[in-house]
Amino acid sequence: GDQVEQSPSALSLHEGTGSALRCNFTTTMRAVQWFRKNSRGSLINLFYLASGTKENGRLKSAFDSKERYSTLHIRDAQLEDSGTYFCAAETSSGQKLVFGQGTILKVYL
Amino acid sequence: DPKIIQKPKYLVAVTGSEKILICEQYLGHNAMYWYRQSAKKPLEFMFSYSYQKLMDNQTASSRFQPQSSKKNHLDLQITALKPDDSATYFCASSQDRISNERLFFGHGTKLSVL
Repeated sequence: GDQVEQSPSALSLHEGTGSALRCNFTTTMRAVQWFRKNSRGSLINLFYLASGTKENGRLKSAFDSKERYSTLHIRDAQLEDSGTYFCAAETSSGQKLVFGQGTILKVYL
Repeated sequence: DPKIIQKPKYLVAVTGSEKILICEQYLGHNAMYWYRQSAKKPLEFMFSYSYQKLMDNQTASSRFQPQSSKKNHLDLQITALKPDDSATYFCASSQDRISNERLFFGHGTKLSVL
């Protein structure tokens, strides 16, 4: 079935450094979304991509449908970036949204 | 085996009717949530429950009422259905309701209101 493998499951970053999260898909996906879960449990939408790359501040995301992956790059990490990040991919039929399991990011001083 | 079960997978309803979306989780989690994904919109948070108590409600309409008969159940009752309610509704759970917790999602119930 449709699967999304998100890595790493947990990540610790020193403030000011950066890293990347990745989601691999077992099948061709039509689009991908990246979210951050806030303290109330809401999933804050960071990016929606059908292809290519998007950048917003210190975050940048890329999606390659053909190669079946998406990445979320964080640069100059700040303490407030701590949280759980999810990717979710739309199947090619558009009928289904499949979620990654999440990456728990902790930014420390 | 899925650890979060949502029933039904697909649901068609007529305007003005009432439906209940079922969610059961077998992960031993204390917090459960409902999210909604409407067409061409990002996923939206609706409710969070912790130990069967409502913690947060971001849904404006009182037509949406969660029901938690057991710790591992969080059903969603929707009354006076409207076509705008058409969406895929996702149930999720986490061990506890804090920010750095993984969320586990069900596969969703796709609701179409005619």
